Amino acid sequence: ILNVEQSPQSLHVQEGDSTNFTCSFPSSNFYALHWYRWETAKSPEALFVMTLNGDEKKKGRISATLNTKEGYSYLYIKGSQPEDSATYLCAFGGTGANNLFFGTGTRLTVIP
Amino acid sequence: EPEVTQTPSHQVTQMGQEVILRCVPISNHLYFYWYRQILGQKVEFLVSFYNNEISEKSEIFDDQFSVERPDGSNFTLKIRSTKLEDSAMYFCASSVQRGNTEAFFGQGTRLTVV
Repeated sequence: ILNVEQSPQSLHVQEGDSTNFTCSFPSSNFYALHWYRWETAKSPEALFVMTLNGDEKKKGRISATLNTKEGYSYLYIKGSQPEDSATYLCAFGGTGANNLFFGTGTRLTVIP
Repeated sequence: EPEVTQTPSHQVTQMGQEVILRCVPISNHLYFYWYRQILGQKVEFLVSFYNNEISEKSEIFDDQFSVERPDGSNFTLKIRSTKLEDSAMYFCASSVQRGNTEAFFGQGTRLTVV
């Protein structure tokens, strides 16, 4: 079983604040790192799939970076809005494996 | 926009009963998955399915579990004799390719075993 860790476990920020959280994963046998946004009672929604060391991806106010050599990825949210409140999951895909290993998620609450 | 659909959204069953959870993956996807999340714990991989056979399964996926793609559109997870510890949210997902493309998840089926 691969260990994928996310921190912090939960986070409360004020509307307008920028925030970031971390996903750490094994640095060996890396294939892809996925970020998902999961709102209560909805499907987890893919934000990014990152495969190359040094990758940076952006979608609106959300961006992510990837360091495969040291085994971490950061997710950044600029100018948080209440609608950003959700659980953010990262998932590691390894070579030779046809599945994803998920972290426990970071639960973000944006206070209006 | 295409989506993965799961039915039912919530199922309550008695311990020892068989349940079948149903999923309709996105039509041009080739890889199918079942994951589950026990309340308060991580999302855990159960099984992946490609080319009409299981391509990978976790240690959770023991003999009481089985998957099937009976008619080319549905993808089902059967739990033969449910236990209390099978209570969880079960997610179906599908992807075009493995690993480096996004997997699309359904909304989940909440299974409660009493």
